[in-house]
Amino acid sequence: DQQVKQNSPSLSVQEGRISILNCDYTNSMFDYFLWYKKYPAEGPTFLISISSIKDKNEDGRFTVFLNKSAKHLSLHIVPSQPGDSAVYFCAAGGGGGSNYKLTFGKGTLLTVNP
Amino acid sequence: SQTIHQWPATLVQPVGSPLSLECTVEGTSNPNLYWYRQAAGRGLQLLFYSVGIGQISSEVPQNLSASRPQDRQFILSSKKLLLSDSGFYLCASSSRAEAFFGQGTRLTVV
Repeated sequence: DQQVKQNSPSLSVQEGRISILNCDYTNSMFDYFLWYKKYPAEGPTFLISISSIKDKNEDGRFTVFLNKSAKHLSLHIVPSQPGDSAVYFCAAGGGGGSNYKLTFGKGTLLTVNP
Repeated sequence: SQTIHQWPATLVQPVGSPLSLECTVEGTSNPNLYWYRQAAGRGLQLLFYSVGIGQISSEVPQNLSASRPQDRQFILSSKKLLLSDSGFYLCASSSRAEAFFGQGTRLTVV
């Protein structure tokens, strides 16, 4: 049972345009969501997060939107740059206490073309 | 912030040989620790997670095991490697929500 789903395995956009990466989840206990970026042969690096009490969080070119009723979140990158080309993972966590565990989606490969 | 040390970076092992990958964490205490494997393509599969010393939860049945002998040390092991164990292994640490990853180990079983 995949609790965090990234249904688009890949996305290609032109430099300067907006990149929108989507993520859906099924577990209503999730209360914290994160996006990670990963280059080949490296560990993922944290990009941006959002708590379930918010519907938007912005950090520079990156904005994450959360729609709790739809159990959907998205990452917007504006403007997209070639250096943004990487695999993006959506992650969700919840339950609180010491058993806080992150569940990752399968990732979306973003390619930004010059 | 936390720093995750993971070694070795690459490893080539014959089928049937043992495995030991080590991960240590700096900059935090009592973290949750994780071992992930990146499947062919991109997906991150959670293999084990630990909320404390000696406490290991396995997410998927497999040929691997994990141990946490110290608060900030997490070890991934196998007694006999299979070809299917080849992959990119990542150690991660989290204190509440944000997880920090090591640089990964590329394991090739030949």
